[in-house]
Amino acid sequence: QKEVEQDPGPLSVPEGAIVSLNCTYSNSAFQYFMWYRQYSRKGPELLMYTYSSGNKEDGRFTAQVDKSSKYISLFIRDSQPSDSATYLCAMSGDFGNEKLTFGTGTRLTIIP
Amino acid sequence: NAGVTQTPKFRILKIGQSMTLQCAQDMNHNYMYWYRQDPGMGLKLIYYSVGAGITDKGEVPNGYNVSRSTTEDFPLRLELAAPSQTSVYFCASSPRGTHEVNYGYTFGSGTRLTVV
Repeated sequence: QKEVEQDPGPLSVPEGAIVSLNCTYSNSAFQYFMWYRQYSRKGPELLMYTYSSGNKEDGRFTAQVDKSSKYISLFIRDSQPSDSATYLCAMSGDFGNEKLTFGTGTRLTIIP
Repeated sequence: NAGVTQTPKFRILKIGQSMTLQCAQDMNHNYMYWYRQDPGMGLKLIYYSVGAGITDKGEVPNGYNVSRSTTEDFPLRLELAAPSQTSVYFCASSPRGTHEVNYGYTFGSGTRLTVV
């Protein structure tokens, strides 16, 4: 079993829709959770960071962590064509940024 | 701000050849990483470093070597290239995070390597 599972998609939704992206994990030591966005032929960039369980909101993006279910989500409201990218979840049990474990990424396309 | 700079951007190697992928960061980050990204496989950690003079293996270190003589530079060496090393290689750096604030990794733009 992989430590982090993520549906690779592809996922296509119309512009303005709410997008839900998810990851499950098996390592109960994970407590730092991140979402990265990767545009085609670019390096990933940090989108959201959450420590332990709870919600975090930043503009149109909301990250949720449910440690009891080992399940994390990223919601995108009012999706835009510029949101078309691959979204990778990442997590770590190490304090201080050492060694993130990444999901395989979900490829998202927003249709105008 | 240059951030993380990787060179070269593209390279074709023949089986058995060697090469060094260069990575430099100008943000004074202590932590640096090398990942490879294969289609459908996500990012796999090859090697990482928590500071100059300190390196450690990641998940997939076989066939690679690293060194960290300065805070800025973290080159990745491929010896005896094999077709299985065809991939996109990303270098990344980060500062030490805290519970409340985490700036995550800053990634370079990647090196696309093909071994034929």
